[in-house]
Amino acid sequence: EPEVTQTPSHQVTQMGQEVILRCVPISNHLYFYWYRQILGQKVEFLVSFYNNEISEKSEIFDDQFSVERPDGSNFTLKIRSTKLEDSAMYFCASSGQGRGNTIYFGEGSWLTVV
Amino acid sequence: SQQGEEDPQALSIQEGENATMNCSYKTSINNLQWYRQNSGRGLVHLILIRSNEREKHSGRLRVTLDTSKKSSSLLITASRAADTASYFCAALNTNAGKSTFGDGTTLTVKP
Repeated sequence: EPEVTQTPSHQVTQMGQEVILRCVPISNHLYFYWYRQILGQKVEFLVSFYNNEISEKSEIFDDQFSVERPDGSNFTLKIRSTKLEDSAMYFCASSGQGRGNTIYFGEGSWLTVV
Repeated sequence: SQQGEEDPQALSIQEGENATMNCSYKTSINNLQWYRQNSGRGLVHLILIRSNEREKHSGRLRVTLDTSKKSSSLLITASRAADTASYFCAALNTNAGKSTFGDGTTLTVKP
């Protein structure tokens, strides 16, 4: 079964450093998402992306965050200057044609900011 | 309170028993999805129910949706120890095209 893949699975970074989390969505999907989950808390929406642009973003997704689909297969989340509170599991997800379709999630990238 | 709230927050049952988890949401939805998450792992999609559906089955899973009450329930029948996980509902907002997750229900199935 097709799946969403994410790399790295775990990254430790110094506060203030830039981090790029990578995702390969399911190949024929059109909608892409990033969510995050701080340890022990709920899954929070960050951003959705469609037709090469952001379609929706949450208040969490401030100027230090950006997303890109550089080559038609990868979907990246960049955090420009990491803070301690950015430590979380970051999930990439994708869905197919139409907004009503199943959203499939990757295994997540665990980011630890020290 | 937030969209996609589950209750109970924690549920502990014996293997073989049924487990029922409930979810409420606030805005209009296009569909509602249930996910399972094992500790430290990703979100595994279990079942999707559309706003025009009232009930859906998949194996040992039964999901109901009551749009008038803005609520959904997930029933796991004949539970197994391997069902031990956190379960989340995610309400897909029609206008925003995003899913909003609840806090989740932590299910423990004792062998």
